Amino acid sequence: DIQMTQSPSSLSASVGDRVTITCQASQDISNYLNWYQQKPGKAPKLLIYDASNLETGVPSRFSGSGSGTDFTFTISSLQPEDIATYYCQQYDNLPPRVTFGGGTKVEIK
Amino acid sequence: EVQLVESGGGLVQPGGSLRLSCAASGFTFSSYEMNWVRQAPGKGLEWVSYISSSGSTIYYADSVKGRFTISRDNAKNSLYLQMNSLRAEDTAVYYCARVNAYSGSYFDYWGQGTLVTVSS
Repeated sequence: DIQMTQSPSSLSASVGDRVTITCQASQDISNYLNWYQQKPGKAPKLLIYDASNLETGVPSRFSGSGSGTDFTFTISSLQPEDIATYYCQQYDNLPPRVTFGGGTKVEIK
Repeated sequence: EVQLVESGGGLVQPGGSLRLSCAASGFTFSSYEMNWVRQAPGKGLEWVSYISSSGSTIYYADSVKGRFTISRDNAKNSLYLQMNSLRAEDTAVYYCARVNAYSGSYFDYWGQGTLVTVSS
């Protein structure tokens, strides 16, 4: 099974800072990598799909990049409403499996 | 508007059973693959099970294989998860999630979740 290593597990940054989260796959997953935001007590929300595509309605300060085994999620200018836990997710179709990264809790400094 | 509404969670003793439901609306349910994803208290997300749009193809995480059964009723726009032989480690919020029709590799809509607590 493919393993997803997400880092850091938590971070604290100031409003306006650039925030970067990484996700590493244990083997090549092409661009089958997605990013979700989860606020406390809420369901996850899709932000980025297929590594770099911004979901409709998601602010442009969120972005994703990478392919193969190494992926990056960036918030270009952290806002108070971005306080949440962020998860990467990969899809493997042989056999079909979905794996999430361990999550990154983002807090305001 | 796409809506997924889970129900059926609650407190159950170890070894017991529970059936979760997910009512879908706002889209053609029969055209979409669906999944169950769970989240233990204070922990990360864990994929549980997948079912194809017709219900003919099903997959499970190793942690629930042989104990949980996913099913759907396209006439009722509903997804189900029958959970048997429940263990304390099955305690979690259970979400139903829709698979995006074009990519097939991500979840574009999620329900609000239903809490299952396994405890004596």
